[in-house]
Amino acid sequence: GENVEQHPSTLSVQEGDSAVIKCTYSDSASNYFPWYKQELGKRPQLIIDIRSNVGEKKDQRIAVTLNKTAKHFSLHITETQPEDSAVYFCAASNTGNQFYFGTGTSLTVIP
Amino acid sequence: DADVTQTPRNRITKTGKRIMLECSQTKGHDRMYWYRQDPGLGLRLIYYSFDVKDINKGEISDGYSVSRQAQAKFSLSLESAIPNQTALYFCATSDYGQGALNGYTFGSGTRLTVV
Repeated sequence: GENVEQHPSTLSVQEGDSAVIKCTYSDSASNYFPWYKQELGKRPQLIIDIRSNVGEKKDQRIAVTLNKTAKHFSLHITETQPEDSAVYFCAASNTGNQFYFGTGTSLTVIP
Repeated sequence: DADVTQTPRNRITKTGKRIMLECSQTKGHDRMYWYRQDPGLGLRLIYYSFDVKDINKGEISDGYSVSRQAQAKFSLSLESAIPNQTALYFCATSDYGQGALNGYTFGSGTRLTVV
């Protein structure tokens, strides 16, 4: 299978600062890495993803980087805002059958 | 967003009771999944299905069963509920493209409490 580890489990930042969440994976065959944001009481929603043939992807204030050699990928949120407060999950897919999720990072942006 | 609909949204049931959670989707996706979410444990896969005649166990299938009644419907049953099945349950759908699984669309979740 695949094992995905995510750190930190909780993260607090001041509004306007950057936040970084890191994940590692075990299976070098994994080729797709989505990130999900889950606001309190709501469903996880896909916010950005990256495929193994790309090293970095940006979408406005969020970006994801992938290091295939080290088998880790990271979510970067710049200029954080209170509405960024949520739980963030990373995931990896190796066989194409399912995703393996990290245990989540609870991000709090302090106004 | 009514693409993936789960019913019920909340349910309290007694130990030993049988309960069914239902999921329907209008995404046209072939792949459907059931996950449970527990604090600190993330999302863990219970069962998944790629079409009506295809059912696969996930990492925590014991105590659960599923039925894929149609491409758009995938139900999860707890034959005899126990308190440690108290959790938030999510249905998810996906399709496959560009040589990889595409990101999930999740349902709104079912909060199940077993007393």
